[in-house]
Amino acid sequence: GENVEQHPSTLSVQEGDSAVIKCTYSDSASNYFPWYKQELGKGPQLIIDIRSNVGEKKDQRIAVTLNKTAKHFSLHITETQPEDSAVYFCAASNGNAGNMLTFGGGTRLMVKP
Amino acid sequence: DAGITQSPRYKITETGRQVTLMCHQTWSHSYMFWYRQDLGHGLRLIYYSAAADITDKGEVPDGYVVSRSKTENFPLTLESATRSQTSVYFCASSEPGGTEAFFGQGTRLTVV
Repeated sequence: GENVEQHPSTLSVQEGDSAVIKCTYSDSASNYFPWYKQELGKGPQLIIDIRSNVGEKKDQRIAVTLNKTAKHFSLHITETQPEDSAVYFCAASNGNAGNMLTFGGGTRLMVKP
Repeated sequence: DAGITQSPRYKITETGRQVTLMCHQTWSHSYMFWYRQDLGHGLRLIYYSAAADITDKGEVPDGYVVSRSKTENFPLTLESATRSQTSVYFCASSEPGGTEAFFGQGTRLTVV
């Protein structure tokens, strides 16, 4: 089955700096890579996703890159703000079973004002 | 209210008791999922369902039972709760074909 590794487990940055979270996956059949943000006491919420036919996708301050050959993908947050503080999860799916996701272990991002 | 709702939000139960966590979605999504979230493990899939009356095991199904008699409901039952099942449980739903999975608010279960 799929295995997703995520690093780092915690990340502390100053407000305005950039944050990068990296994930690797094992199953070459995976073709969908979403990123979820989880705020305290809430369920994960999708913030951006990328499919295997695209190398990079950007949405305002958030971007995701995918390297299929190396089987890794990354989340980039620029100009971080205190409200970006949360736990971020990467995930991978091969699109089967209604998008059954295999998650990474999560990264706790802390943005210091 | 539209969306996906879980109940209860918090539950404390004793070892050996049966407990059922409820999940209800209003979108008529085909697929529904149960994940558990533990520190250091992220979210791990327990069971999933492709449609009413169709369920399948995920990564960590032991000790859990699911059913799906109606599209909108997907209850998760712990038949005889153990302390290792203390966790936060999330229900999610999605449509086929690699689309966004929507998560509920979670149920924090403590087994004492």
